[in-house]
Amino acid sequence: KNEVEQSPQNLTAQEGEFITINCSYSVGISALHWLQQHPGGGIVSLFMLSSGKKKHGRLIATINIQEKHSSLHITASHPRDSAVYICAVTLIQGAQKLVFGQGTRLTINP
Amino acid sequence: DTGVSQDPRHKITKRGQNVTFRCDPISEHNRLYWYRQTLGQGPEFLTYFQNEAQLEKSRLLSDRFSAERPKGSFSTLEIQRTEQGDSAMYLCASSLIPGGQSYYTFGSGTRLTVV
Repeated sequence: KNEVEQSPQNLTAQEGEFITINCSYSVGISALHWLQQHPGGGIVSLFMLSSGKKKHGRLIATINIQEKHSSLHITASHPRDSAVYICAVTLIQGAQKLVFGQGTRLTINP
Repeated sequence: DTGVSQDPRHKITKRGQNVTFRCDPISEHNRLYWYRQTLGQGPEFLTYFQNEAQLEKSRLLSDRFSAERPKGSFSTLEIQRTEQGDSAMYLCASSLIPGGQSYYTFGSGTRLTVV
């Protein structure tokens, strides 16, 4: 079992829909990251969370430390939101390296 | 500072050849990480540097792989005697640790295709 699991693996929706991507982890973490990866490979950091909730524009990220679960929400989705969204955690121990989920491929159709 | 730069963006090589990739991190960042990403998967940790010291290597990093970060600035990742299984996106990231929780800044990656 992977230390970081995301669901769904693929998600297709219509423009304007509310999107939720889930992430569960099984290890002790100091932070959880939501990342966005566009075709071509570049990764952009969206959020870093250690508790609670953060909002940036149409994006909202929440984390429940007790349940070891995080969600990324996109409100009023737009075709430009189409990308792979990756959940990653910073382990408490070790090099503070990131352990990644497998990613969720999001496609928003106009 | 324009972020983390990786060079080249794409590399096609024949099996058995050696390849070298370069990563230029954000200048104030003391940590530099190399990750490998295969198609449809999340990135996997390969190795990291704190300044010029290589502090951890994944068991994914076979003897054919070597990484350096001379003077604690840019880093190179060399793969000797490439195999088809080495085909992947190689990502570099940098961060400033300590300093509390730090965002990671990623480069655009080097896509390696071994034919």
